[in-house]
Amino acid sequence: EAGVAQSPRYKIIEKRQSVAFWCNPISGHATLYWYQQILGQGPKLLIQFQNNGVVDDSQLPKDRFSAERLKGVDSTLKIQPAKLEDSAVYLCASSPLGQLVSYNEQFFGPGTRLTVL
Amino acid sequence: AQSVTQPDIHITVSEGASLELRCNYSYGATPYLFWYVQSPGQGLQLLLKYFSGDTLVQGIKGFEAEFKRSQSSFNLRKPSVHWSDAAEYFCAVGVRGSQGNLIFGKGTKLSVKP
Repeated sequence: EAGVAQSPRYKIIEKRQSVAFWCNPISGHATLYWYQQILGQGPKLLIQFQNNGVVDDSQLPKDRFSAERLKGVDSTLKIQPAKLEDSAVYLCASSPLGQLVSYNEQFFGPGTRLTVL
Repeated sequence: AQSVTQPDIHITVSEGASLELRCNYSYGATPYLFWYVQSPGQGLQLLLKYFSGDTLVQGIKGFEAEFKRSQSSFNLRKPSVHWSDAAEYFCAVGVRGSQGNLIFGKGTKLSVKP
């Protein structure tokens, strides 16, 4: 079974530029997550999708970050304009269809390392 | 608010020695608890998880963890460390009813001496 795919693996941009990351979850996984992992810290959830609907985007800086999952499969995360503090690894994860009374394992992709100069 | 504390930023152990990585959580109810491992340039891989029942859980690669409610802890252990275990380890709390949100600790980097 193929894992979670992410691209690009590395990206270097200058501040105020825009950037987009792509994620393709494991086939059949309805739930998709984007995390931000700053150096020396654990991952922090940015946004969670269930199919093509947003479940939680409370920690997404909506003035500059946006994400979509139009067909309920792959997803893109965009930053516009980027700031120096956005330098981090952006991880995508997916899990099978969730139920309110259960908890499903999240499977992580390799991440995209963003450097903002 | 829920939080996870991993008090050790960096631990070095000799190959073949035993290992214990500490994790304390703050949560108002019984949490879902996880340990993940991250090798350089890789995503996170689940080592083990605790949902309910037996408080000693077994995971992959010879790891185990024990949930201690009285201490709000979920420490990770391995009786004999291999050089390939060198990586960063993250403890995480899953919030019940959140449909999957994980709150991670800051991680413990494990180095293994030959």
